[in-house]
Amino acid sequence: TQLLEQSPQFLSIQEGENLTVYCNSSSVFSSLQWYRQEPGEGPVLLVTVVTGGEVKKLKRLTFQFGDARKDSSLHITAAQPGDTGLYLCAGSNQAGTALIFGKGTTLSVSS
Amino acid sequence: EAGVAQSPRYKIIEKRQSVAFWCNPISGHATLYWYQQILGQGPKLLIQFQNNGVVDDSQLPKDRFSAERLKGVDSTLKIQPAKLEDSAVYLCASSLFAGSGTGKETQYFGPGTRLLVL
Repeated sequence: TQLLEQSPQFLSIQEGENLTVYCNSSSVFSSLQWYRQEPGEGPVLLVTVVTGGEVKKLKRLTFQFGDARKDSSLHITAAQPGDTGLYLCAGSNQAGTALIFGKGTTLSVSS
Repeated sequence: EAGVAQSPRYKIIEKRQSVAFWCNPISGHATLYWYQQILGQGPKLLIQFQNNGVVDDSQLPKDRFSAERLKGVDSTLKIQPAKLEDSAVYLCASSLFAGSGTGKETQYFGPGTRLLVL
């Protein structure tokens, strides 16, 4: 069974701080996706990474896929209150029929 | 473009009662997914449809859960009878086509139905 472990589970920071969220697995994934979920809403896709070592930037968010495609990280620079939410990583395997989600990291950014 | 629609948004029932959820995917999306998200956890796939056929229902508790997508468009998920541990958010998602392992397909999620079983 493929599992994705996210850390930390909870993160509470002040506006302007930097943070990194990790997504790790003992299994290789063909791709990893990062979602953000706000209370009362469904997850919204932020980025998909498919190549080992790939780095993608989305404004203040930087996503990295590990060289071995077993792990990924999300780095937020100068966090803002609008970044508050549940960040989920999800992996796709070669069969590609289902996403396997981690438990998520709940981020709270206070002003 | 309209997103994935789900109803109802909230439902409170007593254990052993039955409940049904409805999902209308994005127009033209062949693949439809139902996920269960328990508080504090990530979504877990219950069932995946490709058009009106089931692709993966390996994690669907078939003794109490059922789902259908008769015309290959909208879908219903039913729980009968409900248990306390079924309290969760039920998310519906759709994508243009099923995953190919390339990661290029994107799943779009609806707002979910929040179920509380008392």
